[in-house]
Amino acid sequence: GAGVSQSPSNKVTEKGKDVELRCDPISGHTALYWYRQSLGQGLEFLIYFQGNSAPDKSGLPSDRFSAERTGGSVSTLTIQRTQQEDSAVYLCVSRRGDQETQYFGPGTRLLVL
Amino acid sequence: GNSVTQMEGPVTLSEEAFLTINCTYTATGYPSLFWYVQYPGEGLQLLLKATKADDKGSNKGFEATYRKETTSFHLEKGSVQVSDSAVYFCALKTSYDKVIFGPGTSLSVIP
Repeated sequence: GAGVSQSPSNKVTEKGKDVELRCDPISGHTALYWYRQSLGQGLEFLIYFQGNSAPDKSGLPSDRFSAERTGGSVSTLTIQRTQQEDSAVYLCVSRRGDQETQYFGPGTRLLVL
Repeated sequence: GNSVTQMEGPVTLSEEAFLTINCTYTATGYPSLFWYVQYPGEGLQLLLKATKADDKGSNKGFEATYRKETTSFHLEKGSVQVSDSAVYFCALKTSYDKVIFGPGTSLSVIP
């Protein structure tokens, strides 16, 4: 497709379970970001991938969170041993390396019961 | 560190009123500045941007001027419409390409 896609669109899980969230960025976009948007809150930066450089993980809230980007394209955000406070919309964003504009995916709405 | 502060709202205006949403930032170097908009039930989309001091970004009747001396990027519109009801996010992109968002300002425009 032409835009950033994310899956699943919604995920309900039990506290303590692991979840994987997937992002397919726009083809050719070298920059990929993960953000978290909690109810009534702004966007919280989680992690940033740029090409083959080491990712900027400074926003990951705990060691339960990790992310990979394989082959410079698809990215997976993994949350281990989920907690209720992890409930949020997780947004993936991609950007062409030489441009400013970011393109947002539709988000994955995660609910931890 | 880098940060973005904006008025949190909610802001409620009557149709055709003048809108200002304040945004100030703290950053090292010379960041690029953005306003993003999130309409109800939709994802974020870029509204306008400015990449250097004194630049004015504009789109859909909205404007914002990059003011380095006051580290501000206030969003303005002369006459709002009901269809402008949304959440507006101010953001900056650092020289390391990290994008920081403000908390968002909810705008409701009533007929």
